[in-house]
Amino acid sequence: GAGVSQSPSNKVTEKGKDVELRCDPISGHTALYWYRQSLGQGLEFLIYFQGNSAPDKSGLPSDRFSAERTGGSVSTLTIQRTQQEDSAVYLCASSRTWTGETQYFGPGTRLLVL
Amino acid sequence: KQEVTQIPAALSVPEGENLVLNCSFTDSAIYNLQWFRQDPGKGLTSLLLIQSSQREQTSGRLNASLDKSSGRSTLYIAASQPGDSATYLCAVLTGANSKLTFGKGITLSVRP
Repeated sequence: GAGVSQSPSNKVTEKGKDVELRCDPISGHTALYWYRQSLGQGLEFLIYFQGNSAPDKSGLPSDRFSAERTGGSVSTLTIQRTQQEDSAVYLCASSRTWTGETQYFGPGTRLLVL
Repeated sequence: KQEVTQIPAALSVPEGENLVLNCSFTDSAIYNLQWFRQDPGKGLTSLLLIQSSQREQTSGRLNASLDKSSGRSTLYIAASQPGDSATYLCAVLTGANSKLTFGKGITLSVRP
């Protein structure tokens, strides 16, 4: 079956613009995660959705970052008024039901803010 | 706050060597530990998941061990091949429904 897909694969934007990143999890997976991977920083947790529960937003670095998950499937990560320090690879992952299970990662969206 | 450390940051070995990648974590009260592989420009691929009650897991040439009390895990790769060249990350889950905390990874290069 299809894995986790993300779009776009690459995004170049100007400082101050808004961007939207999309994630399609594996069909039937109720848990979805967003991570950020910056050069030399490792993987940083951003947000976690599980079913219909309120998302765990504890990793979002500022109020410029937000995420939605519509219909329990597709998720969109929005970054408003982008800054150069937002440049990173944004990775999405899903697991069947919760965080204790294997997480399956998408290929990531490489964001460059000029 | 959980911290995960992987040392060294990079490792180069000749093909055929057996090797061990180390991972340490500061809070031993973990739920599970996972090892991932990341190829350049790609996402992460899960290799092994060890529950806190387990001591080790094996998959093919890979064996991961867990010593929760000492806060350590090792990933053993037998008979390394150039195709094993990648970055290997370990991550721990501290508590049910909490988030994974990742190490920064070890970049492995296996020379033909």
